[in-house]
Amino acid sequence: DAMVIQNPRYQVTQFGKPVTLSCSQTLNHNVMYWYQQKSSQAPKLLFHYYDKDFNNEADTPDNFQSRRPNTSFCFLDIRSPGLGDAAMYLCATSRDRGGQSNQPQHFGDGTRLSIL
Amino acid sequence: LAKTTQPISMDSYEGQEVNITCSHNNIATNDYITWYQQFPSQGPRFIIQGYKTKVTNEVASLFIPADRKSSTLSLPRVSLSDTAVYYCLPSGGGADGLTFGKGTHLIIQP
Repeated sequence: DAMVIQNPRYQVTQFGKPVTLSCSQTLNHNVMYWYQQKSSQAPKLLFHYYDKDFNNEADTPDNFQSRRPNTSFCFLDIRSPGLGDAAMYLCATSRDRGGQSNQPQHFGDGTRLSIL
Repeated sequence: LAKTTQPISMDSYEGQEVNITCSHNNIATNDYITWYQQFPSQGPRFIIQGYKTKVTNEVASLFIPADRKSSTLSLPRVSLSDTAVYYCLPSGGGADGLTFGKGTHLIIQP
């Protein structure tokens, strides 16, 4: 089945130590998104790629970066994780941008990041 | 972006029909209304989407009145496995990413 796959499911890092989370998709979708979801809260959009075009949300901290080397893969880099960055990080894809169509988003099952 | 209002939580019993209503008073003309379901430690899953009137699929129905300022997700004959958080989101005509509201935590009891 075509899917959105996030690895690893659980990630532990140390305060201030850079960490990278991975996402891959077999849907061949143009758009890939990263969301942050803290405990008992709704997912919050961090940024998205439309093909190679990167779009950052205004309130996403500079500590968060992303790379999309090809259509299938997207990475979330946290340069200096703080205790407040402990959360579930969700990757999602859609065929087109929301402004151009009503295509629903397909989510992976997330990576739960813990900070020691 | 259209702001949504849903009940924070709802309780029901197995075999009952559950209706969750969401208000989205300032929905944009081009927005569709999409509902997602999220289980603990999983990503949200698309349930159903509609623009107006009624849409039905194998898991749910979606009712949207003519003014489109609200929508109602209907889950027929719920089971324990329907316990989850349900989010309604206007999407498609506005920003590219999804702006999630607080969602409705549905708890199904035996």
